[in-house]
Amino acid sequence: LAKTTQPISMDSYEGQEVNITCSHNNIATNDYITWYQQFPSQGPRFIIQGYKTKVTNEVASLFIPADRKSSTLSLPRVSLSDTAVYYCLVGPRGDDKIIFGKGTRLHILP
Amino acid sequence: SQTIHQWPATLVQPVGSPLSLECTVEGTSNPNLYWYRQAAGRGLQLLFYSVGIGQISSEVPQNLSASRPQDRQFILSSKKLLLSDSGFYLCAWTTGTGFYEQYFGPGTRLTVT
Repeated sequence: LAKTTQPISMDSYEGQEVNITCSHNNIATNDYITWYQQFPSQGPRFIIQGYKTKVTNEVASLFIPADRKSSTLSLPRVSLSDTAVYYCLVGPRGDDKIIFGKGTRLHILP
Repeated sequence: SQTIHQWPATLVQPVGSPLSLECTVEGTSNPNLYWYRQAAGRGLQLLFYSVGIGQISSEVPQNLSASRPQDRQFILSSKKLLLSDSGFYLCAWTTGTGFYEQYFGPGTRLTVT
């Protein structure tokens, strides 16, 4: 499994766009990039997954440069309810072992 | 639709007592099943995962064990709890091919006193 590095914490304000970057220098050819969100006392919730370029859904966008050594989760116009821990995971489809890192603690201020 | 259940929701147990946490999944067959533990303010630690009945892979053996007696049932056990076993225990499942979207249960908050 590719090692990932994310900021430990970030602060932002309501209404701002938040970008969280994940570094994964040793990503393999068949690895996908997946992001989860976790609120206190709940299990993580899948946000988005991508392989290259850009993926967008109703919650977020995922930007992946051509070399795939990093990825950026973009949350448009955040609100207080986006305060959570965000995890970046990298691994191949078909890999049974799924390991979470420490994640990024995002704190949205009013 | 698929549903994942965990019980109990909260548990307070003395040191040295046994533990049994149960997780069941509805609405899918042959899922991959996972047990994670999260200590207060920490990330998720993968404890066990299972790709089928009776198949258990252990990441953190210590004093915990897991069993999968049925396709959609996953049990986490301990014969003697330690203070360090306190935490938030989460069960999760994915489709059998792995690393797709993982679905988590509501969790069990365990306090060992």
